[in-house]
Amino acid sequence: DVKVTQSSRYLVKRTGEKVFLECVQDMDHENMFWYRQDPGLGLRLIYFSYDVKMKEKGDIPEGYSVSREKKERFSLILESASTNQTSMYLCASGLDNSGNTIYFGEGSWLTVV
Amino acid sequence: GQNIDQPTEMTATEGAIVQINCTYQTSGFNGLFWYQQHAGEAPTFLSYNVLDGLEEKGRFSSFLSRSKGYSYLLLKELQMKDSASYLCAVNGAAGNKLTFGGGTRVLVKP
Repeated sequence: DVKVTQSSRYLVKRTGEKVFLECVQDMDHENMFWYRQDPGLGLRLIYFSYDVKMKEKGDIPEGYSVSREKKERFSLILESASTNQTSMYLCASGLDNSGNTIYFGEGSWLTVV
Repeated sequence: GQNIDQPTEMTATEGAIVQINCTYQTSGFNGLFWYQQHAGEAPTFLSYNVLDGLEEKGRFSSFLSRSKGYSYLLLKELQMKDSASYLCAVNGAAGNKLTFGGGTRVLVKP
């Protein structure tokens, strides 16, 4: 079974703090993604990566950065957390032109106070 | 740009059929996916369509018309456990990444 593991399920951080969300996949997927999910707005793509040390902006990259030093690990960084970044963050890996789907981690619920 | 639309909410009775429509406008097309998401959980894969037509998988079927930019997910013999959100997502032309619709929340009543 494909496993995508997010390091933290629930976090509470203060405004201005630096936040790291870690994601690890065990299927040797080249593509990895970070989404956030908010009521009424659906899943929105923050950043994605096709390969080690490679990153691409998604639809809402502002206030976020990412790191992919190893193929299996994709980290999302909030340099200075703000209350409007309170959300559920979903990491995913997989997807290709052959119809293989992406697999999601369990999600990280972040509250910024 | 990418635009994917689906209804916000639908209600149906246990044992009935529900059809969830999805329309999309994307700069390219490499396939359309449907996912199921229960409250508080991650989305799980249901179906994939890249060619026109119907794909059937047990109680769930998905249909695609590329010329119309249209897909639907059909849920038959509804069960209470089918109460969930259903997400339509398109793999567009610019590399491999999925753009999601807002999701359709389906409530199954006894």
